Order: sequence, then C-alpha cells, then structure tokens
Amino acid sequence: DTAVSQTPKYLVTQMGNDKSIKCEQNLGHDTMYWYKQDSKKFLKIMFSYNNKELIINETVPNRFSPKSPDKAHLNLHINSLELGDSAVYFCASSQRAGGADTQYFGPGTRLTVL
Amino acid sequence: AQSVTQLDSHVSVSEGTPVLLRCNYSSSYSPSLFWYVQHPNKGLQLLLKYTSAATLVKGINGFEAEFKKSETSFHLTKPSAHMSDAAEYFCVVELGGGADGLTFGKGTHLIIQP
Repeated sequence: DTAVSQTPKYLVTQMGNDKSIKCEQNLGHDTMYWYKQDSKKFLKIMFSYNNKELIINETVPNRFSPKSPDKAHLNLHINSLELGDSAVYFCASSQRAGGADTQYFGPGTRLTVL
Repeated sequence: AQSVTQLDSHVSVSEGTPVLLRCNYSSSYSPSLFWYVQHPNKGLQLLLKYTSAATLVKGINGFEAEFKKSETSFHLTKPSAHMSDAAEYFCVVELGGGADGLTFGKGTHLIIQP
C-alpha cells in the first residue's frame, strides 16, 4: 500500500492553463506539505497544512493554492501556469507539525509547462 | 534562521570503499537533522534522523551519521559503497515546534565506480 500518493505522475500543459495535482496519504497523519524541486534538484517548502492552520512560504506566488477536502488529502491548484513553474512537485505528510516527526514523501509529479 | 550546506555537489567513490557526504548546518535552536535519499526518477526516502538523542545515528542500508554540535556538522558515512547507493542525497534541517516544513541542502550526487 502506497503511504503517500500523487496524481498525475507527469503533467504537460500550456502556459496560461490552470491545473491541479492531487495528493493523498493513508497514514492518518495530521500535517501535509507541498515542496517544489527545481531543475537543479533544489527542494523548497511551499506550504504546510494541518486542520488548524495553513502556513505559506512567502516566496510562493498566489497563483498556487492548496486545497484540503479532508485530512487525508492536500491538492495543489495552480492558476495561469508559467514556464518557471516547470518542476517536480512533492507532497509529504507527518504525524504532527514540526519537531522530529518524519515526513513521508510521495513519488512526485513532474510538471512541464510549454 | 536556519540553513544547511552540503559541501560537495558530487562525490565519486569506488564500489567497496567508504562513503563520506558532508553537511554543515546553522540554527539558532536545537535542530532536528535528517538525511534523505532520492534515486533517479524516484521520490524521497528517509535514511536516518537525529532528534537530540544519541549523537551517532544508524540508518537504513548501512548508512550512519554523527551529530557534532561543536562543529555544527552532520556528515553521512557508509563503510563500503554498493552500486545501488548511487543517488542524490539531501541533508535536511528542521527547527522544532513549527509547521514550517524542512529546509533542504542542495544535494550531493553520489557516483559509484565499478
């Protein structure tokens, strides 16, 4: 059973489109995250979210918005896609926010904006 | 502020020889430290973590890391490299108590020569 799953695995789209990436975790964790990995493999936190608060990295454009229909899901919606959005996006979850809790990562979604 | 520096972008070793991947961190608080591995076109897998318990941490696949507060280092080692160890390795730091996610180093690409 996959602990953290993401769909789709690959996403190719045109500039200006709106797209969503879905993430689901079956670990019963309270906190979920989205990370962006750029072409140089540098990973950076975009959002962390639990049922109480959303923390947004201030460098993330407001075209990106996380949406959580329930505790097991944190989807990433992107409006007006730009070339610079091309990257691999990873979802992760942990039992609690912060501290020493291990974060479990999904397999990633490779987004290519043409 | 917290940051993590991986001192080598690439490390190449022969199969059967020791591996050393270097990491230094800066943090105003007692950090939690992690090493994650990413195999080609795969997601991130936790190798090991330090959470203020024993300073020598043993992880999966024969890897271990030693937390040295005086040197602000958390270097990853393995006594004998295997071809399957070829991957990207990320040193990661997290401050306790927040929902800010993880701060990743820029990664070290480990190459194993036959």
